[in-house]
Amino acid sequence: DQQVKQNSPSLSVQEGRISILNCDYTNSMFDYFLWYKKYPAEGPTFLISISSIKDKNEDGRFTVFLNKSAKHLSLHIVPSQPGDSAVYFCAARIIQGAQKLVFGQGTRLTINP
Amino acid sequence: NAGVTQTPKFRILKIGQSMTLQCTQDMNHNYMYWYRQDPGMGLKLIYYSVGAGITDKGEVPNGYNVSRSTTEDFPLRLELAAPSQTSVYFCASSFRDTSYNEQFFGPGTRLTVL
Repeated sequence: DQQVKQNSPSLSVQEGRISILNCDYTNSMFDYFLWYKKYPAEGPTFLISISSIKDKNEDGRFTVFLNKSAKHLSLHIVPSQPGDSAVYFCAARIIQGAQKLVFGQGTRLTINP
Repeated sequence: NAGVTQTPKFRILKIGQSMTLQCTQDMNHNYMYWYRQDPGMGLKLIYYSVGAGITDKGEVPNGYNVSRSTTEDFPLRLELAAPSQTSVYFCASSFRDTSYNEQFFGPGTRLTVL
């Protein structure tokens, strides 16, 4: 069963506008949620995270929102830039053990000039 | 610091062949991980290690083996390659301190089994 889901395989946004990427989870045994960005032929790189006890975390153009009652999180990118075009993975960290991460399927974001 | 390095970048194997994917990190991280990513899918955990001499299975361990003789190295072994193991393999590492939640990834190894 897929514990972390990203239901949109792709998203296209105009440069300068807001990009919103969504993620849903089914397991309550996660203590952190993370977003990773991946360019072709490279490994994922960490973007931003949020603790399960918070509802918002902001870092420059990137903001992550967590709605625990809906088991939903979203990543907002404002304003979107061409360099933001990449695949974005949502991940959730399991509370116990070796900080294992469970990943969603990814969303390919394309920023159009 | 080089971070997490992986070799080789690409490899084509015939069914039944074996190979070892190499992973090295120079950040003195305790935890190391191996993931595979299939097309259109997220990363799935194969094996992980919390320190030298300690390894454990992840979500998809069948067909793979690992060892961790040093803090720096975490090789992944495929004994009898099968077409289902065609994938991109990523190695990652992280601090043991739970206040650090980021995993650092290598560039990946693209493996094709024919």
